[in-house]
Amino acid sequence: GAGVSQTPSNKVTEKGKYVELRCDPISGHTALYWYRQSLGQGPEFLIYFQGTGAADDSGLPNDRFFAVRPEGSVSTLKIQRTERGDSAVYLCASSQRGGEAYNEQFFGPGTRLTVL
Amino acid sequence: AQKVTQAQTEISVVEKEDVTLDCVYETRDTTYYLFWYKQPPSGELVFLIRRNSFDEQNEISGRYSWNFQKSTSSFNFTITASQVVDSAVYFCALSGNSGGYNKLIFGAGTRLAVHP
Repeated sequence: GAGVSQTPSNKVTEKGKYVELRCDPISGHTALYWYRQSLGQGPEFLIYFQGTGAADDSGLPNDRFFAVRPEGSVSTLKIQRTERGDSAVYLCASSQRGGEAYNEQFFGPGTRLTVL
Repeated sequence: AQKVTQAQTEISVVEKEDVTLDCVYETRDTTYYLFWYKQPPSGELVFLIRRNSFDEQNEISGRYSWNFQKSTSSFNFTITASQVVDSAVYFCALSGNSGGYNKLIFGAGTRLAVHP
């Protein structure tokens, strides 16, 4: 079956612009996660959805970042007034259920965001 | 606070050598899981192994083996008879009950280069 997909694969934008990054999880997976990976670093947790609701958004760096998952499947990460420091690879992952570490998280290929 | 430290930034070996990747973690959680992920040049994180905090039995799976020592908070990963295809960045990660097992805390990664 299909894995986690993310679009676009690359996004270049100018400082101050608004961007949307999309994640399509594995079919049937109820849990969805967003991470951000800066160059030379490990991924950092941003937000976790269980179904349609954001169960843990403690990793969002500030109020310019928010994410939605209106129908419990596809999720969109939205970044307002982008800054150069937002440049990173944004990774999405999904798992069958949340709250259980033995349900492994499957990662997508990521969206590389570059803010000029 | 939870933290994962991978002290080795880069390792370079010649094919067929054995290589061990070090991981040290910090957590106050009573129950937690430890993971190793591989990130090849394509960028997609691939799950390798998972261990829970109650099981310190070390295991071997094919060319992979791991050494979990709770007394030293270490979870080291060994590749036996390395191959060029093993070249990638390897991440150690932690997930604990305080976060509902919903967020993975990653180390900074170790870049492994296997030369023919």
